[in-house]
Amino acid sequence: AQSVTQLDSQVPVFEEAPVELRCNYSSSVSVYLFWYVQYPNQGLQLLLKYLSGSTLVKGINGFEAEFNKSQTSFHLRKPSVHISDTAEYFCAVISPYNPGGKLIFGQGTELSVKP
Amino acid sequence: DTAVSQTPKYLVTQMGNDKSIKCEQNLGHDTMYWYKQDSKKFLKIMFSYNNKELIINETVPNRFSPKSPDKAHLNLHINSLELGDSAVYFCASSPSDFYEQYFGPGTRLTVT
Repeated sequence: AQSVTQLDSQVPVFEEAPVELRCNYSSSVSVYLFWYVQYPNQGLQLLLKYLSGSTLVKGINGFEAEFNKSQTSFHLRKPSVHISDTAEYFCAVISPYNPGGKLIFGQGTELSVKP
Repeated sequence: DTAVSQTPKYLVTQMGNDKSIKCEQNLGHDTMYWYKQDSKKFLKIMFSYNNKELIINETVPNRFSPKSPDKAHLNLHINSLELGDSAVYFCASSPSDFYEQYFGPGTRLTVT
């Protein structure tokens, strides 16, 4: 079975500051990793994904994440945030060995960007 | 063009009623899902379908019955609604069952 832990439930940050949202996962088999963003009253939008290859993954809106297998982490970073980045961010994993496409989500991190 | 659409966006109903939520995707994907997001924003899968065949039924009460009339549609019917069913329900789709999933805008269900 897989599980995902997002270490911070809320992250307040000032505009133009860097930010890191932390995600750790647990799995006995290899997994694919994703970050999704949910703006208020909207659905989830894929930010980026790690399937294989380079451990540094670049996504939309200037976000990137680094897969660290030894630390079972997939932290999300942005060098300079904007007010418009205020949203809920979800880390998720899926195992290609489990049929059905069951995405396991973390609890979410609320990013609040202040002027 | 909307990729994954759901109707209705908001649904307010009384306990004991039966209601349906519809989902359609125009991405040509083979797999569709229903997720439930609770009041703490925690997301959990309920069902997944691949080519109209049920693959995952994640210990959801029998009152919830998904129906997939074709590959592009996955509807969710809920019988005898309870207060605890109040949540946001998301439909999603993916090309296969281990690629990224594309989510609809959600249906906020409120049971009074």
